[in-house]
Amino acid sequence: RKEVEQDPGPFNVPEGATVAFNCTYSNSASQSFFWYRQDCRKEPKLLMSVYSSGNEDGRFTAQLNRASQYISLLIRDSKLSDSATYLCVVNRGNYGQNFVFGPGTRLSVLP
Amino acid sequence: GAVVSQHPSRVICKSGTSVKIECRSLDFQATTMFWYRQFPKQSLMLMATSNEGSKATYEQGVEKDKFLINHASLTLSTLTVTSAHPEDSSFYICSAIEGSQTQYFGPGTRLLVL
Repeated sequence: RKEVEQDPGPFNVPEGATVAFNCTYSNSASQSFFWYRQDCRKEPKLLMSVYSSGNEDGRFTAQLNRASQYISLLIRDSKLSDSATYLCVVNRGNYGQNFVFGPGTRLSVLP
Repeated sequence: GAVVSQHPSRVICKSGTSVKIECRSLDFQATTMFWYRQFPKQSLMLMATSNEGSKATYEQGVEKDKFLINHASLTLSTLTVTSAHPEDSSFYICSAIEGSQTQYFGPGTRLLVL
């Protein structure tokens, strides 16, 4: 079992739809969590950090459930420009930075 | 957000040659930088953690003598792929930690070994 798992998709949704991604992690000692987006043939770009209390940035909402060890990302009112691969990233911590990437979930927003 | 640059963005080389890739943090100091490799349609795989002033920490399965890392200053880390072979062709991406655990990535270097 991989340490960070995501449904690879693809998720094909129409413009304006709401879509949700989940990510599970196996290391209970993991300390911080992030969502990145990666466009084709580009580097990952930070979308948002994920906090236990949940956080929202415009159309994007991220939540963390430590008990069940999963992270979610909700995108409302999808835009064509949201089409990308969304990477779940977990920092194991433990006296240093130790980031583990999920395989990513591919989203295609269709006109 | 913070800016990380990489150079070159693309390189084509002959098998057996060595290639150096630079990673710079432009507007912040980074005591720790990371080097990743990404093959097509796969996720990023951490190769090594580069620490300023000390030896890099390599992930299991990554040959330290083949992928030489030098983190000579707080703003520069270099990755040298020695005696490159076609199977080393990949997208190499560096990242640096800014402040509170946030990673910022460089734009990546596409390496093609013929």
